[in-house]
Amino acid sequence: NAGVTQTPKFRVLKTGQSMTLLCAQDMNHEYMYWYRQDPGMGLRLIHYSVGEGTTAKGEVPDGYNVSRLKKQNFLLGLESAAPSQTSVYFCASRDLRDRGYTFGSGTRLTVV
Amino acid sequence: QQPVQSPQAVILREGEDAVINCSSSKALYSVHWYRQKHGEAPVFLMILLKGGEQKGHDKISASFNEKKQQSSLYLTASQLSYSGTYFCGTGNTGNQFYFGTGTSLTVIP
Repeated sequence: NAGVTQTPKFRVLKTGQSMTLLCAQDMNHEYMYWYRQDPGMGLRLIHYSVGEGTTAKGEVPDGYNVSRLKKQNFLLGLESAAPSQTSVYFCASRDLRDRGYTFGSGTRLTVV
Repeated sequence: QQPVQSPQAVILREGEDAVINCSSSKALYSVHWYRQKHGEAPVFLMILLKGGEQKGHDKISASFNEKKQQSSLYLTASQLSYSGTYFCGTGNTGNQFYFGTGTSLTVIP
């Protein structure tokens, strides 16, 4: 009964380094999302996917790339990390029937 | 695109009631409500899909006025376990979905 699993849970990067955050869900959900959460700003949508092989931009996509090669996985990449990308990142998924989102436990990323 | 929530923060004593409001400048198809405890992921509370719909679970209920593009969350006879940050989330007929900035709720003994 795993739900949505995110790895890693914590990471410290130096400016300019790259990394990939992995999100995996075992509920056969079609839709998957990446959000970032910053103090006072709530959850902001970075990228999302409506099915395997598809991706689309959200409201804050700059500096991030995503891929959905398999239905159960949604990867978020930072090609050249910047201090402004210090945040808590949440992955979420939902099915086609517009039920509630299921969130992963989050990744706390610090860029120094 | 981000819905606006009010108030930003509220402190209650156990047993008191609270209302959290969520409004959007865009036409809405659905409204979700979530609660997030400190350091944890948001947890789904309920979804409202129809105009004027009300839903509830235990002492937490919500309404959705599609015409006014507003939703309200009602917490009755609050308990200590209700403390956390409450987010509304709004969707349109497309696939994008936006969360509000959150309302911090603290229940004290």
